[in-house]
Amino acid sequence: GEDVEQSLFLSVREGDSSVINCTYTDSSSTYLYWYKQEPGAGLQLLTYIFSNMDMKQDQRLTVLLNKKDKHLSLRIADTQTGDSAIYFCAAARDYGQNFVFGPGTRLSVLP
Amino acid sequence: KAGVTQTPRYLIKTRGQQVTLSCSPISGHRSVSWYQQTPGQGLQFLFEYFSETQRNKGNFPGRFSGRQFSNSRSEMNVSTLELGDSALYLCASSLAASGGTEAFFGQGTRLTVV
Repeated sequence: GEDVEQSLFLSVREGDSSVINCTYTDSSSTYLYWYKQEPGAGLQLLTYIFSNMDMKQDQRLTVLLNKKDKHLSLRIADTQTGDSAIYFCAAARDYGQNFVFGPGTRLSVLP
Repeated sequence: KAGVTQTPRYLIKTRGQQVTLSCSPISGHRSVSWYQQTPGQGLQFLFEYFSETQRNKGNFPGRFSGRQFSNSRSEMNVSTLELGDSALYLCASSLAASGGTEAFFGQGTRLTVV
């Protein structure tokens, strides 16, 4: 089955860029998502990319997809303290909703 | 537009009891999925319902069950609770239109089994 991996921790200084990486194993994953979870809260959809795209930009967020290497990254420009959270990468096929989530990357933004 | 509503937010049960969690999806959404989040196992898919039918099921024992009503609201039931069932249970809703899904999550129900 699908397996999604992420590094568990990332620390950056306020104002710097953050890059969170994710790898997945199932090449038939069509939709790749980034979710944000703040303490005590549910998951907030940040952005997603279809497997036929290489890049998607949405304000401070840039998603890069290397389908050949099954590697996904999320870049947050001008990282703010409010960006401190756990970021989950998730992969899904084009039917149903049974996402496979990575373990989450805890982003700490230092002042 | 109201988001996904899960009730209750917090729940404490004792081992051996059963529990029912509720999820009201976004108006117009017909698909509801359930996930279990624990520190050790991360986020794991439980099951998905669409139009009152279970479409997909994760790798959980039969003590975990669910159903969906005609108004798309969904309930999840866990019988004979074990300490390891303590977790945050998240519900996600989507239109489940063909060609892809965009799932919106509720805030979750935090279940503690003592």
